[in-house]
Amino acid sequence: DIVMTQSPLSLPVIPGEPASISCRSSQSLLHSDGYNCLDWYVQKPGQSPQLLISLGSNRAFGVPDRFSGSGSGTDFTLRISSVEAEDVGIYYCMQTLQTSQITFGQGTRLEIK
Amino acid sequence: PQLKQSGPGLVKPSETLSLTCTVSGDSITSSNYFWGWIRQPPGKGLAWIGTMYYSGTAYYSPSLGSRVTISGDTSKNQLSLRLTSVTAADTAVYYCASGTYYYNSTGYYPIDFNTWGLGTQVTVSS
Repeated sequence: DIVMTQSPLSLPVIPGEPASISCRSSQSLLHSDGYNCLDWYVQKPGQSPQLLISLGSNRAFGVPDRFSGSGSGTDFTLRISSVEAEDVGIYYCMQTLQTSQITFGQGTRLEIK
Repeated sequence: PQLKQSGPGLVKPSETLSLTCTVSGDSITSSNYFWGWIRQPPGKGLAWIGTMYYSGTAYYSPSLGSRVTISGDTSKNQLSLRLTSVTAADTAVYYCASGTYYYNSTGYYPIDFNTWGLGTQVTVSS
């Protein structure tokens, strides 16, 4: 299995301040066809998860541009340029390189200070 | 597509969990999407259960092994999940999801889950 490790697990942030979450994989997520098999999701309180970023850095439809994804290989980062109150939730990274064993990170809980 | 989940919220130990996801806005046989199930035990993170492509090709979590089956009913445009011999460890919120994928000569490669159902709370208890 590809193990996904997120840090930090808890992230208190002051509104208006930036935030970043790290996701590391136990093996490279760079597909032979040249793309990174890494997505970011957020699960807001009481809701289903929703896609934020796919292929490491592509914002999903409707996702505000304060969210950005970067990284390649085994190290990835989700950045929020200016946190808003509505960004509270649990953020997960997910790898799709291993078609027969998709795995998620443990989740990072973002809260407002 | 839009995904509407249904199924019992309570299943007895050793019995079979069966959930349905009714798809609207597209066909489950459409090559535009792939389909999957993900679950979330109480207070824990997300865990992939399995995925199915329009061709019927399916992949399952090794940790669930032969207990899990994902299938499609084209007449009802529904995706189904069956999990046999359930125990308390299978208590979770179960999500149906659809997403985009990439296909080349070596097979199917999932890209993301861009649409999720609302989730079904399933408790395994006698």
